[in-house]
Amino acid sequence: GQQLNQSPQSMFIQEGEDVSMNCTSSSIFNTWLWYKQDPGEGPVLLIALYKAGELTSNGRLTAQFGITRKDSFLNISASIPSDVGIYFCAGQLSAGKSTFGDGTTLTVKP
Amino acid sequence: GAGVSQSPRYKVAKRGQDVALRCDPISGHVSLFWYQQALGQGPEFLTYFQNEAQLDKSGLPSDRFFAERPEGSVSTLKIQRTQQEDSAVYLCASSLTGGSYEQYFGPGTRLTVT
Repeated sequence: GQQLNQSPQSMFIQEGEDVSMNCTSSSIFNTWLWYKQDPGEGPVLLIALYKAGELTSNGRLTAQFGITRKDSFLNISASIPSDVGIYFCAGQLSAGKSTFGDGTTLTVKP
Repeated sequence: GAGVSQSPRYKVAKRGQDVALRCDPISGHVSLFWYQQALGQGPEFLTYFQNEAQLDKSGLPSDRFFAERPEGSVSTLKIQRTQQEDSAVYLCASSLTGGSYEQYFGPGTRLTVT
């Protein structure tokens, strides 16, 4: 089936630094979503992207839907300690089933 | 407002026992999804309902897994004759309409099979 590759697998950064992570697929998606998951909780939706080439921001977060429809990128600017968590990308062909990557674990050192 | 709730939050079952996991979606949400999340991995799709109709059950790993949503609101995921490989977090998500891509997740039920 479809698989999403997320990289990097983990990141250790200093508070205030910018972060970039990405997600690639061997097949196309029509929608890309980015989630954050804290320990013991379900994923929380951060950003949804609906169109190839689209660039969308949500506060310090910016995500892009790759022009080939096979990739997406998430950037976090000026990281703060509460940004710690696991970030997942997910792709959808149609409303319904989401295919998730295996996550990027972010650690922020104060 | 009230989000998606799941119960129990934790369940320990002996191998061979049956378990039932409950999901209460956000009120008024038409679509409901179940995912399985193994340790260190992303969620994997199990099944999807629109109202009471189960539209996609392609992700259910075996015929021991069964999901229902008889009145189009609360849903139950049942696992019969549990095996150790069923140990995982089971996540439920809901979305407002059948055409909405944005899914809102509950906290999950952590199932441990001993």
